[in-house]
Amino acid sequence: QKEVEQDPGPLSVPEGAIVSLNCTYSNSAFQYFMWYRQYSRKGPELLMYTYSSGNKEDGRFTAQVDKSSKYISLFIRDSQPSDSATYLCAMNRVVDDKIIFGKGTRLHILP
Amino acid sequence: DTAVSQTPKYLVTQMGNDKSIKCEQNLGHDTMYWYKQDSKKFLKIMFSYNNKELIINETVPNRFSPKSPDKAHLNLHINSLELGDSAVYFCASSQQGGQSYTFGSGTRLTVV
Repeated sequence: QKEVEQDPGPLSVPEGAIVSLNCTYSNSAFQYFMWYRQYSRKGPELLMYTYSSGNKEDGRFTAQVDKSSKYISLFIRDSQPSDSATYLCAMNRVVDDKIIFGKGTRLHILP
Repeated sequence: DTAVSQTPKYLVTQMGNDKSIKCEQNLGHDTMYWYKQDSKKFLKIMFSYNNKELIINETVPNRFSPKSPDKAHLNLHINSLELGDSAVYFCASSQQGGQSYTFGSGTRLTVV
């Protein structure tokens, strides 16, 4: 089993819809959970990170971590065409400072 | 003013050649990384350096050799290039122990 699993998509939703992106993981030692956004032909950029379980909100974005289920989610409200990108979940163990990325989900927001 | 800059952006070369990719960061970060992103977009760590010292060396062929002349620079030299080396290589930096990586815009390497 891979350490981090993420459905590659593509996921197409109409503008204004709520988007739900998810990842599962197998290593219970992960403590920090992140979401990166990558536009075509660009490097990934950090959207949000959370420590341990719980929710974190930043504008239209909400990150959710459920450590008991080893499941993390990113919700995008009022989705816009400019949100079309690949979203990568990522996580790390503090002990070795190495971030493990999911494969990324390609998201298309249809105008 | 670019935070993490990589050169070149594109590199097309023949099998068997040796090539280098350069990376520089002006963020004052302690740690720098090289990641490889394959055609399926999977981003995999190759190396990390903290203050010029090698910290992470994943299972990468010996043909790949990173060099960090100072904490603001991390270069990647690849010997005897193979077709399977074709990918996008990303440099990144962070404060030690930080979760916020700043990535460069990538070097698209094509081996023909």
